[in-house]
Amino acid sequence: AQSVTQPDIHITVSEGASLELRCNYSYGATPYLFWYVQSPGQGLQLLLKYFSGDTLVQGIKGFEAEFKRSQSSFNLRKPSVHWSDAAEYFCAVGEGASSNTGKLIFGQGTTLQVKP
Amino acid sequence: EAGVAQSPRYKIIEKRQSVAFWCNPISGHATLYWYQQILGQGPKLLIQFQNNGVVDDSQLPKDRFSAERLKGVDSTLKIQPAKLEDSAVYLCASSLDREFYNEQFFGPGTRLTVL
Repeated sequence: AQSVTQPDIHITVSEGASLELRCNYSYGATPYLFWYVQSPGQGLQLLLKYFSGDTLVQGIKGFEAEFKRSQSSFNLRKPSVHWSDAAEYFCAVGEGASSNTGKLIFGQGTTLQVKP
Repeated sequence: EAGVAQSPRYKIIEKRQSVAFWCNPISGHATLYWYQQILGQGPKLLIQFQNNGVVDDSQLPKDRFSAERLKGVDSTLKIQPAKLEDSAVYLCASSLDREFYNEQFFGPGTRLTVL
C-alpha cells in the first residue's frame, strides 16, 4: 500500500533562514506528489505538485520541492523563511497515480515554528 | 470565487449523541471529499462523491457514519452515535473532477469534540 512519511514532527527555524521539510513516500511506480500548508483555523492550501518531468517544481509563496526517485523523497524547500510561514505542512501522494482515483494519502504533518 | 463552505465550525457533544456536518462545495465541482483529521495526524479520506454517487467509502465506519450528497451539490456527514475517538476536525474538499491534475480545494473544517 502507498504511504507517506514525514520524519520531522516539529521544526523551528529563524526568520530569514532556509527551510527544508522532509517527505518520503512508498510507491512502486512514478508517484503523484503534493505539498499542502494548513494555517491555524484554515483549510489546507496546495503549495505545489509533481506528476512528471522536471524533478524540481516551483510552487506558491516561494516554495519549491525536488523529486528524487532514488531516495523516494520529495522534500520541500524555501530559501528564506518569513514569520507568516509558521503553519503545518503536509506531504501527500495520489493513490494509484495515473489511475486518477482522486484519493490523497497524507503524511502526519510537520509543524513549522519561526523564531523572530 | 467562493471557496468551500462548512458549518458548523465547532461542535461539542457527549458520546452516544448524534451530530451532522454540512458542506457546500465550489460551484461546478463534481467531486466532493470528506476527510477526518485527528489531532497530530494528516487528513484521512472518509468518503468521496462524484456528483451524487459514492465513489469510495472504504474507510468510512459505516456502522456509525453516513453521508449523502443531495442533487450532486451540498453534502452532509452524520455520526450516530458518536464515540470519544470521533473527536477530530472534519474537512470537506471539492475538485472539478477526480483527476489529480485538478486541485482539491479545502474548507476550513468542523472541529468536533466528543465528551
